[in-house]
Amino acid sequence: QQPVQSPQAVILREGEDAVINCSSSKALYSVHWYRQKHGEAPVFLMILLKGGEQMRHEKISASFNEKKQQSSLYLTASQLSYSGTYFCGTESGGSNYKLTFGKGTLLTVNP
Amino acid sequence: ETGVTQTPRHLVMGMTNKKSLKCEQHLGHNAMYWYKQSAKKPLELMFVYSLEERVENNSVPSRFSPECPNSSHLFLHLHTLQPEDSALYLCASSHGAGGADEKLFFGSGTQLSVL
Repeated sequence: QQPVQSPQAVILREGEDAVINCSSSKALYSVHWYRQKHGEAPVFLMILLKGGEQMRHEKISASFNEKKQQSSLYLTASQLSYSGTYFCGTESGGSNYKLTFGKGTLLTVNP
Repeated sequence: ETGVTQTPRHLVMGMTNKKSLKCEQHLGHNAMYWYKQSAKKPLELMFVYSLEERVENNSVPSRFSPECPNSSHLFLHLHTLQPEDSALYLCASSHGAGGADEKLFFGSGTQLSVL
């Protein structure tokens, strides 16, 4: 079953912060985050594993709450380059062969 | 440049045509994937190959036929498609052990339109 992402879309001004959430109805082993710009390939941001630590990619960080079966992506002091669609992928069995992705969150950062 | 190249970038085909999508990875990975990305829908996993053997097949209609002749190349053969098959088809690769900590490297996709 696919994870649910919220919000579906968010518009920011450069320098503002945002949080994107990813929730699942199943117990999770890992959560993956990717960003896709229009017309381009999705690009890996980070993976969070059950029992692992919070991860970071530049000024973007993420947490994984195993008990709540959810992950949050924190974008701090957003830059224009952060614009794109953010996808979370989840799996429950310890294999990336069974990743299920959410519908994505469209982030727009304006000057 | 992700190291995964897909051709063609765009494809228009009729329902009776036969065409193939090609994916090549230059990363030395052992696993390759086909995903379907439709508007307002999540990425859908179609097939996974590890060391040229199919390890996942997510109930994909038989009008889609994958082929993995070696660990660097992956094809998706298409025949008698339906208009609802119009979508962006993404290829990806990963190191190949199937671990939960493996990241995917995606190509830019083939935008397919079925008329």
